[in-house]
Amino acid sequence: QKEVEQNSGPLSVPEGAIASLNCTYSDRGSQSFFWYRQYSGKSPELIMSIYSNGDKEDGRFTAQLNKASQYVSLLIRDSQPSDSATYLCAVNFGQTGANNLFFGTGTRLTVIP
Amino acid sequence: DGGITQSPKYLFRKEGQNVTLSCEQNLNHDAMYWYRQDPGQGLRLIYYSQIVNDFQKGDIAEGYSVSREKKESFPLTVTSAQKNPTAFYLCASSIRRTTLGHNSPLHFGNGTRLTVT
Repeated sequence: QKEVEQNSGPLSVPEGAIASLNCTYSDRGSQSFFWYRQYSGKSPELIMSIYSNGDKEDGRFTAQLNKASQYVSLLIRDSQPSDSATYLCAVNFGQTGANNLFFGTGTRLTVIP
Repeated sequence: DGGITQSPKYLFRKEGQNVTLSCEQNLNHDAMYWYRQDPGQGLRLIYYSQIVNDFQKGDIAEGYSVSREKKESFPLTVTSAQKNPTAFYLCASSIRRTTLGHNSPLHFGNGTRLTVT
């Protein structure tokens, strides 16, 4: 069973705080992990991709991957009201030729001004 | 500007009618995908295509059909056999692998919201 689990939230943080979003996945052989942001009524947009254990930083965003524990997280520093959205974790299961991603149900983040 | 164009943005149909959703990309991507999103659920894969004239079923292909006659185009037909067709449909594309051999991220179109009554 291929599963990607996220806490649906909502997660509320004050403006300027750090938002922490977590994701676990079922397949130990997964190699590729992505975070997408989706505003209400819009399509997902890519924020980060991560392939190796450890941290990857891009501006205010940091993705953290721990393959042994099968979790990936996203930290948003200095959260802004414009960060209010649903954040989707996506995982590619196994090293197949196909590039299909499996998505979690998303965590809804609200940043309070 | 390169991108993925889905049309129309909103689509209304009567039950029992087939309907075709358009997806065109000018990113020169080999792979294209159709996902469906329902409220409170994650994106679920309907069909995908890695190369022209070839496509594979995803997790929820029943009641849907696709074609891939051109690299740029991957239309999705929602047939009358689909039990619950009302949903937000997302088309995506990607290169097959990154230069380092990793799975590449998907890039999404703006979506088509289909309502069937």
